Amino acid sequence: ILNVEQSPQSLHVQEGDSTNFTCSFPSSNFYALHWYRWETAKSPEALFVMTLNGDEKKKGRISATLNTKEGYSYLYIKGSQPEDSATYLCAPYSSNTGKLIFGQGTTLQVKP
Amino acid sequence: SQTIHQWPATLVQPVGSPLSLECTVEGTSNPNLYWYRQAAGRGLQLLFYSVGIGQISSEVPQNLSASRPQDRQFILSSKKLLLSDSGFYLCAWEISGRAYEQYFGPGTRLTVT
Repeated sequence: ILNVEQSPQSLHVQEGDSTNFTCSFPSSNFYALHWYRWETAKSPEALFVMTLNGDEKKKGRISATLNTKEGYSYLYIKGSQPEDSATYLCAPYSSNTGKLIFGQGTTLQVKP
Repeated sequence: SQTIHQWPATLVQPVGSPLSLECTVEGTSNPNLYWYRQAAGRGLQLLFYSVGIGQISSEVPQNLSASRPQDRQFILSSKKLLLSDSGFYLCAWEISGRAYEQYFGPGTRLTVT
């Protein structure tokens, strides 16, 4: 069983604050990691797919890094805005399981 | 472009009643299809996945079943709902052979009363 942990579970920040979350996963048989953004009452939206150790991806104010050797990924949001409020899910894919395994998510609330 | 549909969007059903949720994908052939559930306060749990018509794999023992009668149609069913079946149900598809990129449908909010 692939154990995926995300921290913190929830986060409340003020508009303009920068924030980051962590996704931890077993490093063995790693193939890829996916970050999703999930707004209430909508479907999860793919943010990044990361495959290589040391990968860094960026989309606007959101960026992510990947360390496959130690089994973690960070998601950063620079200058958080209220529209960034959502649950952020990470999902590693391992060649062992052949499936995405989702963490429980980090729920971000940005106050104006 | 590919589109994934789910219906109904919301559903309130009494305990013991049957369930049928439908998911269809447009714009692709032979996708891998998935059913997930998010129960209150919990993460996304994989329920079923299918790599082809009539091929269903179940991840957890439960009160639910799935079927794939057509290439781009995936159905989640139950004969008798339990209170614990309440949750948000998501269907997802991926291109066969690119198993780390999944795309989600809009979801169904099921409340069992």
